[in-house]
Amino acid sequence: ETGVTQSPTHLIKTRGQQVTLRCSSQSGHNTVSWYQQALGQGPQFIFQYYREEENGRGNFPPRFSGLQFPNYSSELNVNALELDDSALYLCASSSLTDTQYFGPGTRLTVL
Amino acid sequence: GNSVTQMEGPVTLSEEAFLTINCTYTATGYPSLFWYVQYPGEGLQLLLKATKADDKGSNKGFEATYRKETTSFHLEKGSVQVSDSAVYFCALSPAPSDYKLSFGAGTTVTVRA
Repeated sequence: ETGVTQSPTHLIKTRGQQVTLRCSSQSGHNTVSWYQQALGQGPQFIFQYYREEENGRGNFPPRFSGLQFPNYSSELNVNALELDDSALYLCASSSLTDTQYFGPGTRLTVL
Repeated sequence: GNSVTQMEGPVTLSEEAFLTINCTYTATGYPSLFWYVQYPGEGLQLLLKATKADDKGSNKGFEATYRKETTSFHLEKGSVQVSDSAVYFCALSPAPSDYKLSFGAGTTVTVRA
């Protein structure tokens, strides 16, 4: 059974740019959740996708957007990057009402 | 809203010492509670969970009991090993069927041989 994978591992961008992060969910899972983990902090819920529809959103501005594809993989897009967007971005997959399994994360640095 | 407060670290222990990490929560309704662990350079792994009051979650020698009267979910291990060195996160979901997690800030634990 393949676990949750994320790409890329690391990414460096400059302020104002746009970025796309990718997540492949674990086999059999139809739900993907995205979290932002700033250095030294706990993860913060960004949003969740269930069967290609957004199913809840945390306190993040609209420049954070996402997609889920028919194979349940997902993308997180961030527009107009700010310095404070520098963080580890974690993806977690699950069945809708079951335990989440996390990927290794993508480390985004905004200069 | 929902929130989790956990004991600040870092915590440094000797091998075979007793570990406790305090976690309290604020939530409406009947949340589920979790402990996740993050080993150096790795993603989050579920350590244990409890879905209702008085449930005890346990795994790898770690235990935590869901105490509704004190709104707590303290993590304990009787004898730690060097391999337990990691960051531990307490988390809650608003309901057993709603897995949008709220995390605490994390507690860094270092175990010395």
